[in-house]
Amino acid sequence: AQSVTQLGSHVSVSEGALVLLRCNYSSSVPPYLFWYVQYPNQGLQLLLKYTSAATLVKGINGFEAEFKKSETSFHLTKPSAHMSDAAEYFCAVSDGTGTALIFGKGTTLSVSS
Amino acid sequence: DTAVSQTPKYLVTQMGNDKSIKCEQNLGHDTMYWYKQDSKKFLKIMFSYNNKELIINETVPNRFSPKSPDKAHLNLHINSLELGDSAVYFCASSHRAGQGEAFFGQGTRLTVV
Repeated sequence: AQSVTQLGSHVSVSEGALVLLRCNYSSSVPPYLFWYVQYPNQGLQLLLKYTSAATLVKGINGFEAEFKKSETSFHLTKPSAHMSDAAEYFCAVSDGTGTALIFGKGTTLSVSS
Repeated sequence: DTAVSQTPKYLVTQMGNDKSIKCEQNLGHDTMYWYKQDSKKFLKIMFSYNNKELIINETVPNRFSPKSPDKAHLNLHINSLELGDSAVYFCASSHRAGQGEAFFGQGTRLTVV
């Protein structure tokens, strides 16, 4: 069975600081991995996805994530946080066998000036 | 032109009532989903339809009944609403079940009083 663990339910950074949101997955087959962002009172927007091509994936808004099979991780980073990055971030996994995306519990990112 | 649209955006109703949420996607996707997001922001898959056929039915009370008249529409009907049904319900779609990113609607915030 697939699962996703997001370490840290709340991450706080200063504007301009590095953003690191952690995600570890469990899957019996090579996974599809995703990061989504949710702004208040809105739906989920795809930030980036890993589908077995390049292990370093670049997404929108300056975010990127690296797939590390040995560590079963897919951490999300951004070199310099902006106030507008404050939101809820979700990591999700799929094993590609016809099941739905399974989401982690989310990480709230706060950015202070 | 909204890719996945759901109506209504807000729904306030009394316990015991029956209500429906409608969802439509114009992406030409084969698979549609209903997710429930609770007060702690946790996203849980409820149902998944592929080409109008139910393929995922998680442990959801049978008061919840999805209906897919065609592959572009997936509605959710809820009978005898309970306080615990209060949540945000998201509709989503993907090209194929579990093999790519899912596109989400804006959500329906259901409040049962």
